[in-house]
Amino acid sequence: AQKVTQAQTEISVVEKEDVTLDCVYETRDTTYYLFWYKQPPSGELVFLIRRNSFDEQNEISGRYSWNFQKSTSSFNFTITASQVVDSAVYFCALSEAGNTDKLIFGTGTRLQVFP
Amino acid sequence: EPEVTQTPSHQVTQMGQEVILRCVPISNHLYFYWYRQILGQKVEFLVSFYNNEISEKSEIFDDQFSVERPDGSNFTLKIRSTKLEDSAMYFCASRKGVAMNTEAFFGQGTRLTVV
Repeated sequence: AQKVTQAQTEISVVEKEDVTLDCVYETRDTTYYLFWYKQPPSGELVFLIRRNSFDEQNEISGRYSWNFQKSTSSFNFTITASQVVDSAVYFCALSEAGNTDKLIFGTGTRLQVFP
Repeated sequence: EPEVTQTPSHQVTQMGQEVILRCVPISNHLYFYWYRQILGQKVEFLVSFYNNEISEKSEIFDDQFSVERPDGSNFTLKIRSTKLEDSAMYFCASRKGVAMNTEAFFGQGTRLTVV
C-alpha cells in the first residue's frame, strides 16, 4: 500500500535560515510520481514540483531545492535563506501510475518563519 | 493563467441537508478530482472522474456522495444528507493528462461547516 510520511509536524526558523522538510514514501510500484504542494494561510494548495520515479536528478528552483533518493525512499525539500512568506503547511504527495493518478498526501509540515 | 474555480468559498448547512459544491476545472483538462481536508489534518482523496464517469473512489465516498459533470464545464460534488463529520475543506482538482507528464491543479477550496 502507498503511504507518505512527513515526520516533522512543525518547524520554526528565523528568517534567512535554511530549512529542510523531510518526506519518506512507501510504494510497491516501480513507476510513481512525487509532488510537493504548499498550503499558505489562505488555504489553497499550490503546486511546487513533480518528480518521476525514473528521474533521480535533484532540482533547484531559486531558493527551493529537492533531493530525491530512491535508495532511502525520500524526497526532501530544502528552502534556502527562508523568508516570512515561506510560512505555510507543506505537503508531500505520491501518485502511482494507473488510471486515476490520485494523490496520496502526507500529514504536512507546518513551517513558521519568524522575522 | 487558467485556474480551477470553486464556489462557494464557504457553506454553512444544517445536519441532514443536501449540499452541492461546485467547481469549474481548467478548460482543457481531462481528469477531475475531489479531495477533502478536515481542519488541521491531511488532504484525503475522495473521487476521481474521467471520461464522464467515476474512475476511482475512496472509502470515504459512500452512497451519500455523488459527482456530476452536467454541462461539460462544471464539476459538482453533492452530499445528500450532511453529517457533522462532513465539515471540512473540500478541494476540487483537475489535471490535463497523466501524472507522468502533468500535475494536478487545485481550486481554492470550499469550507463546508455542518451545524
